[in-house]
Amino acid sequence: QVQLVESGGGVVQPGRSLRLSCAASGFTFNNYGLHWVRQAPGKGLEWVAVIWYDGSKKYYADSVKGRFTISRDSSKNTLYLQMNSLRVEDTAVFYCARGGGDSNLDYWGQGTLVTVSS
Amino acid sequence: DIQMTQSPSSLSASVGDRVTITCRASQSISTYLNWYQQKSGKAPKLLIYAASSLQSGVPSRFSGSGSGTDFTLTISSLQPEDFATYYCQQSYSPRFTFGPGTKVDIK
Repeated sequence: QVQLVESGGGVVQPGRSLRLSCAASGFTFNNYGLHWVRQAPGKGLEWVAVIWYDGSKKYYADSVKGRFTISRDSSKNTLYLQMNSLRVEDTAVFYCARGGGDSNLDYWGQGTLVTVSS
Repeated sequence: DIQMTQSPSSLSASVGDRVTITCRASQSISTYLNWYQQKSGKAPKLLIYAASSLQSGVPSRFSGSGSGTDFTLTISSLQPEDFATYYCQQSYSPRFTFGPGTKVDIK
């Protein structure tokens, strides 16, 4: 069965960096695009970034462009999100999600909490 | 970026009620519209994709319609397990955007 397991969250000071990982299993990793979506405490869902199935294209939300970098390692079946220059407003649960064949997000991980605080 | 709006932002309903949630896009998105259900503390779950296609395993009381800029999610007979927050999301642009959500709670 499809599984996505995020890790790497924690408490970090403003201006510092953090890298999130998402370990994928149960499907052919190289056939699917992968996304990061976040949710601030008590707020709605915010799409963050996507990487194409082959890594050829990447897109970012304006709120993270220039600070966050999405990447993938097919040898490890793992998706990453490198987050630099973190801000208090980046505090959120970060989910990874698989891009379904019909341009949807068909499987989601359980999420990892990132708290940016001094 | 394509902006998504939803109405209402919240609603109270009873078991057995018919519930309708509306989503509007800031520009035409054809049928590149998906709906998700999120329960408290859990990851979102895909309900409807391509505006009207039911995701595998989702009960048939859920349905979606619309195209262009205006879309609707309907729950034909609300069940206790349907109390949750519902989000629309456009996939017309590779930079996805979500609506602000509609919280459905018990009257």
